[in-house]
Amino acid sequence: QITLKESGPTLVKPTQTLTLTCTFSGFSLSTSGVNVGWIRQPPGKALEWLALIYWDDDKSYSPSLERRLTITKDTSKNQVVLTFTNMDPVDTATYYCVHSTWSSAFGYWGQGTLVTVSS
Amino acid sequence: EIVLTQSPGTLSLSPGERATLSCRASQTVDSRFLGWYQQKPGQAPSLLIFGTSNRATGIPDRFSGSGSGTDFTLSISRLEPEDFAVYYCQQYGSLPRTFGQGTKLEIK
Repeated sequence: QITLKESGPTLVKPTQTLTLTCTFSGFSLSTSGVNVGWIRQPPGKALEWLALIYWDDDKSYSPSLERRLTITKDTSKNQVVLTFTNMDPVDTATYYCVHSTWSSAFGYWGQGTLVTVSS
Repeated sequence: EIVLTQSPGTLSLSPGERATLSCRASQTVDSRFLGWYQQKPGQAPSLLIFGTSNRATGIPDRFSGSGSGTDFTLSISRLEPEDFAVYYCQQYGSLPRTFGQGTKLEIK
């Protein structure tokens, strides 16, 4: 059974760096074709894809946010970490961790974690 | 970047009626890489349809997907109370992966 769970601060100040961790089970990120990604959703708004990390450590980012995002993995801990620099109130959102394989849809989602950016 | 435009923004229907939701892409999407998600209030989205027309595990057959090229449709044949939610289309064949802005299906 595949599960993912996001963790991190619920409140960050403007200009700070956000670090979110996705801890997963039921699969290995060293298996060919497996990917883990991040998606966010501001309150009352649509989903926005942020980043993806692949089993071979390749990475993809949203072009509009690439300068501020870094995604890494720790295969031994079954974790994926997203860092997001220079946070702004407009970055207030629920952040979701997702699983996919090869070029598949996101079949598994974490429960999400709400991050508020405020001074 | 492929922009997905969903219509209508809000759809008001009664239980038992048929719902038709549209997703239009700014450029051709390989039908193998078009999916639909359902999101209920306070919950994470869940996968409904992948590859344009394939239902995800456990999805009832009143949900169906169709389309090709730049025009895709999600249909719900007979609305049940639990179907009232927000629906998003997504293309996952090219980077960046993109979502539509969503269609809210509400009870009339």
